[in-house]
Amino acid sequence: GQNIDQPTEMTATEGAIVQINCTYQTSGFNGLFWYQQHAGEAPTFLSYNVLDGLEEKGRFSSFLSRSKGYSYLLLKELQMKDSASYLCVHMDSNYQLIWGAGTKLIIKP
Amino acid sequence: GAVVSQHPSRVICKSGTSVKIECRSLDFQATTMFWYRQFPKQSLMLMATSNEGSKATYEQGVEKDKFLINHASLTLSTLTVTSAHPEDSSFYICSARAGQGMETQYFGPGTRLLVL
Repeated sequence: GQNIDQPTEMTATEGAIVQINCTYQTSGFNGLFWYQQHAGEAPTFLSYNVLDGLEEKGRFSSFLSRSKGYSYLLLKELQMKDSASYLCVHMDSNYQLIWGAGTKLIIKP
Repeated sequence: GAVVSQHPSRVICKSGTSVKIECRSLDFQATTMFWYRQFPKQSLMLMATSNEGSKATYEQGVEKDKFLINHASLTLSTLTVTSAHPEDSSFYICSARAGQGMETQYFGPGTRLLVL
């Protein structure tokens, strides 16, 4: 997606921790979101950051640095069901959503 | 959370025919609904924003005469792909916003369209 940069694919082991990074252009900002999308399904909302820092929600945490145009999604205690694409979404100054192409996360036993 | 449904979930049609996809918010009223298209291994692309009782706002490059959107009620928006061609084959996803926050935007399960 335009202006969003995240890795295409990552592999991790069940039970481990993985961090998915995302960078975006900092021209205007109204929020940074992470969505999970399983193959053939619609995205589901995971997290929303508008202020700098770490937001923790169960096994998933999301971090934001507005000055750096950087965010990451941290997944702990990985489970096989976490195998999915993770989409980084930036809301710009016009409240338009800019979707990343997603990071395909492969979990191995 | 709130539920958004789409119908049909999957459709195969011949080139030149029109296909209608329905998006319903089942337990909330949605003044705004969004239509997205997603090609394999690509990000979601917003096609249009649909507001109840008014004309849809289309994104640049999306033909409004080809992708007809009707948001006739607070719980129903329809997308009609007119004279579909193989290049229109894609995954079409709608979402509905229940409030002001992003976390109140709920996605439908998507409709996979295959045009032969």
